[in-house]
Amino acid sequence: EADIYQTPRYLVIGTGKKITLECSQTMGHDKMYWYQQDPGMELHLIHYSYGVNSTEKGDLSSESTVSRIRTEHFPLTLESARPSHTSQYLCASSEGVAETDTQYFGPGTRLTVL
Amino acid sequence: ILNVEQSPQSLHVQEGDSTNFTCSFPSSNFYALHWYRWETAKSPEALFVMTLNGDEKKKGRISATLNTKEGYSYLYIKGSQPEDSATYLCAPSYYGQNFVFGPGTRLSVLP
Repeated sequence: EADIYQTPRYLVIGTGKKITLECSQTMGHDKMYWYQQDPGMELHLIHYSYGVNSTEKGDLSSESTVSRIRTEHFPLTLESARPSHTSQYLCASSEGVAETDTQYFGPGTRLTVL
Repeated sequence: ILNVEQSPQSLHVQEGDSTNFTCSFPSSNFYALHWYRWETAKSPEALFVMTLNGDEKKKGRISATLNTKEGYSYLYIKGSQPEDSATYLCAPSYYGQNFVFGPGTRLSVLP
């Protein structure tokens, strides 16, 4: 069973606040990902990382930023939350970078910005 | 962003019914096709990864086939059970690129 954790699971916050969504994995995976899903829509990749000190933007433009200082930790930050950031955010990891590598997902953070 | 389609968007079946749904994707530069199951309030869980044209994978009552030439995959569930209720996502991957997820098919199995 995959061990990938996200906190908080649910967050309701006011406009303008800075927030950090946490993601940790205990599998030693090099590659990690952040996806965003609006209700009824596809999972869209917003950030990924090949390893420590590597961060890349995904297919969907996002105002969020990420960092990868430790292999197991890949937090996502919004400097000033807005209602348009309301969405579900899922973190995932994979052992390698091959196109066949399975991605293991966390349970997600459901963010609501008022 | 590549266009990945899944149909139907949702369906309701009775317990014991067999069902199937479709994932369509661009076939150019295709490398692999992943299927995931996503139950409410849980993490998406990997079901299969397939690469070869004509591939067929099976896991219990769930099976999947792949046609890479025409760009589609079928997922079949035999004798659906309430615990099969979930959203089923497909995600093709392409050479040197990340996954692209489809919108999913939401399955409800009624007891």
